[in-house]
Amino acid sequence: QKEVEQNSGPLSVPEGAIASLNCTYSDRVSQSFFWYRQYSGKSPELIMSIYSNGDKEDGRFTAQLNKASQYVSLLIRDSQPSDSATYLCAAKGGGSQGNLIFGKGTKLSVKP
Amino acid sequence: KAGVTQTPRYLIKTRGQQVTLSCSPISGHRSVSWYQQTPGQGLQFLFEYFSETQRNKGNFPGRFSGRQFSNSRSEMNVSTLELGDSALYLCASGPGTGVSYEQYFGPGTRLTVT
Repeated sequence: QKEVEQNSGPLSVPEGAIASLNCTYSDRVSQSFFWYRQYSGKSPELIMSIYSNGDKEDGRFTAQLNKASQYVSLLIRDSQPSDSATYLCAAKGGGSQGNLIFGKGTKLSVKP
Repeated sequence: KAGVTQTPRYLIKTRGQQVTLSCSPISGHRSVSWYQQTPGQGLQFLFEYFSETQRNKGNFPGRFSGRQFSNSRSEMNVSTLELGDSALYLCASGPGTGVSYEQYFGPGTRLTVT
C-alpha cells in the first residue's frame, strides 16, 4: 500500500516565524512531489512542486526533497495569519500511474 | 486561463438515487482525475481519464464510474447512492504527461445523501 504520511497537527506558530511542515512517502519510485494548501471550505490549491533532491524556493515558500530518506518538507518563512490552512503533501506514483497519493494534511495555525 | 469548473456546486440526493457530476478542465489539459474528500479519510483517488480513456482507478466500488469526452470534459456518475457517499467530490486537471504531473483542482461538488 503506497502511503504518504503527515503529522495532522495542529501546528501553531506565531506571526513572523518559520513554519515547518513534514511528509514521508513509502513508494521509492515516486519522482514528483507537491504541496497543496486548502482553506476551510475550499478546494486544494497547488503551491509548490519539487522533482529533484534539494531545495526549491518560491517567495516565502521553500520545498525540500530527500529521496534517500523518502522525505519532503515545506518551510513557510515570515508566516502570516493568512497562511492558516491545511497543507496537503502529495506524491505521484511511479511509472505510468497517473494518480497522486495524498497525505491527510497538516493543519497550520498562525497566531497574530 | 480559466480554471477548472465543476457543476453543480451543491447537491442533495436520497439514498438509492443516482447522480452525475461534471468537470471542465483547464484548456489544453488532457488529464482529468476525480477525488473524494471526507473528514475521516482525506483525499481519496477515484479514477483518472486521459484522452477519453480511463488510465488509472482507485479502490472504489463499481457504483462509481466516469467518462471523458473528446473535448476533455469529464463526468462522474454514482449509482445507488449510500449515506457514506456524502462527501466533497473534487476534479483535477493537468497535462497528464511528463514527470511533473501537476494537477489543478476545481471548486468541488458537495454531495449530501439523506
